[in-house]
Amino acid sequence: DTGVSQDPRHKITKRGQNVTFRCDPISEHNRLYWYRQTLGQGPEFLTYFQNEAQLEKSRLLSDRFSAERPKGSFSTLEIQRTEQGDSAMYLCASSQGAGYGYTFGSGTRLTVV
Amino acid sequence: QQQVKQSPQSLIVQKGGISIINCAYENTAFDYFPWYQQFPGKGPALLIAIRPDVSEKKEGRFTISFNKSAKQFSLHIMDSQPGDSATYFCAALRNAGNMLTFGGGTRLMVKP
Repeated sequence: DTGVSQDPRHKITKRGQNVTFRCDPISEHNRLYWYRQTLGQGPEFLTYFQNEAQLEKSRLLSDRFSAERPKGSFSTLEIQRTEQGDSAMYLCASSQGAGYGYTFGSGTRLTVV
Repeated sequence: QQQVKQSPQSLIVQKGGISIINCAYENTAFDYFPWYQQFPGKGPALLIAIRPDVSEKKEGRFTISFNKSAKQFSLHIMDSQPGDSATYFCAALRNAGNMLTFGGGTRLMVKP
């Protein structure tokens, strides 16, 4: 399978706990994006990487959120001290070059209880 | 500020009918307008996209109509099928940019 892979698919966590999600992009894609989608809404941009460099961050990405892409391959998104408002689908996407050809993964559904 | 407005929020169409979803944008720096289809529990999948230098693009049963002066674009699904039942999102990308701005989505139900 040459698509974008995300792990885990579902995560239930207690408020205050830390969670980490992983994204494996399409291997030849140099750009990787994280989006958040709440129920009934369109995805909202969080951050993007070109190779290993994090080049843009949304105001939605509070200081409890951190993303990394070591060696320009897979990426992780960590949320510290989770809150109920963090409950959402976290989507990863990748593209080669500018964002004209996004491919999204199936997402990680986070539920904070 | 919502930069891409999508309507309707939900749509019910009979099998074989035409589904029409509309979007309007504000930022004239947008130069790429994709439509995504999303099934429950899945990520959005690119359906069809258009640039503002053309007024229409057709791929199979799916057509995008684009009106640059009105800053509006729409998706037409011809001969709608129950398998088309999904949520559809329009989006926009700035010139050589990286951040897609999505509309609010339209939940389409095609009745058999």
